[in-house]
Amino acid sequence: DAKTTQPNSMESNEEEPVHLPCNHSTISGTDYIHWYRQLPSQGPEYVIHGLTSNVNNRMASLAIAEDRKSSTLILHRATLRDAAVYYCILVNFGNEKLTFGTGTRLTIIP
Amino acid sequence: GAVVSQHPSWVICKSGTSVKIECRSLDFQATTMFWYRQFPKQSLMLMATSNEGSKATYEQGVEKDKFLINHASLTLSTLTVTSAHPEDSSFYICSASLTGLPETQYFGPGTRLLVL
Repeated sequence: DAKTTQPNSMESNEEEPVHLPCNHSTISGTDYIHWYRQLPSQGPEYVIHGLTSNVNNRMASLAIAEDRKSSTLILHRATLRDAAVYYCILVNFGNEKLTFGTGTRLTIIP
Repeated sequence: GAVVSQHPSWVICKSGTSVKIECRSLDFQATTMFWYRQFPKQSLMLMATSNEGSKATYEQGVEKDKFLINHASLTLSTLTVTSAHPEDSSFYICSASLTGLPETQYFGPGTRLLVL
């Protein structure tokens, strides 16, 4: 499975935008880029996913590099409730299995 | 929509006993459900993939006779930890994907198991 690399931790101030990077240099043409987040003591929560084009939803935006070897999850205005571990995961089309890496622990500073 | 529940949310049991954890998709049908285990300060590890009406597929290193999985309907999968030991203490999480839409998984809130 193609792997992803994320920073172990990041901090951001409340009400400011947050850019969470993810590198996936060995991504294949049929890999989707998924983002999930896990709040403390809870199951993970789907955030967003994309293939080639940038994507927006009510939770976040996903910016995908033109060569698809990296992507950035953007939280437009961080709140304290966004403090979580964020996982960037490649999911191959037709294979539903998710392989979780270590993710990025996001801390929001009030 | 797309809510997954787990029961119980936490359980304490004695060593040697068996514990059953239920995972339900409340408002959708799930052809496939997944079971994960998460130890403190670690990431989620996939244990098995459960398909309705067929045997579960276990990941390498996961004992199928110890972690019994049953997926009897499109809305219910169960994980039974048999003869539990303290090293089985963990956070067990299930997920489900919508039938016909495999891209997204919806996770349950998790079950915290403590074996004494």
